[in-house]
Amino acid sequence: RKEVEQDPGPFNVPEGATVAFNCTYSNSASQSFFWYRQDCRKEPKLLMSVYSSGNEDGRFTAQLNRASQYISLLIRDSKLSDSATYLCVVNKSGGSYIPTFGRGTSLIVHP
Amino acid sequence: NAGVTQTPKFRVLKTGQSMTLLCAQDMNHEYMYWYRQDPGMGLRLIHYSVGEGTTAKGEVPDGYNVSRLKKQNFLLGLESAAPSQTSVYFCASSYSPFGDTQYFGPGTRLTVL
Repeated sequence: RKEVEQDPGPFNVPEGATVAFNCTYSNSASQSFFWYRQDCRKEPKLLMSVYSSGNEDGRFTAQLNRASQYISLLIRDSKLSDSATYLCVVNKSGGSYIPTFGRGTSLIVHP
Repeated sequence: NAGVTQTPKFRVLKTGQSMTLLCAQDMNHEYMYWYRQDPGMGLRLIHYSVGEGTTAKGEVPDGYNVSRLKKQNFLLGLESAAPSQTSVYFCASSYSPFGDTQYFGPGTRLTVL
């Protein structure tokens, strides 16, 4: 099993829709979690960190479920500009530090 | 602030040639990373550095070497390029490793023929 797994999609949704992605991780020692956004042929950029209590930033909500070892990203009222690939990142603490990226979930928002 | 810059942006090599990719950051970050991104594979960590003069292996280090002689620069070397090293290479930096944002450069598209 890969350390960090994401459904590659694509998720094809109309403008205004609500869409959710999950990302599962295998290492229970994982300590910090992030969602990055990557536009086509561009570098990844931080979308939001994921906190234990869950957190919201405008139309975006991130949640962490430690018991089931997954994080989620919910996007409400999707915009055309939300079309991108969403990468989850999981960091372990202690010892050798290697941030692990998921393969990404592709989102296409259409008119 | 330029953030993270990478040189060159594009390069085509023949098998067996060598080259060095340069990453520079002006944010005084301690941590720097080199990733490669292949279709369907996501980002994979090649090497990373936790400070000037230090380097460590990541997930896929074979065929690459790195150096961090100055805090702001992180060099990635390919001694004898192979077609399997055709990829997009991203450099990133962060202030600390945990719970901290990584800032990425624009990438280098490398093709090895």
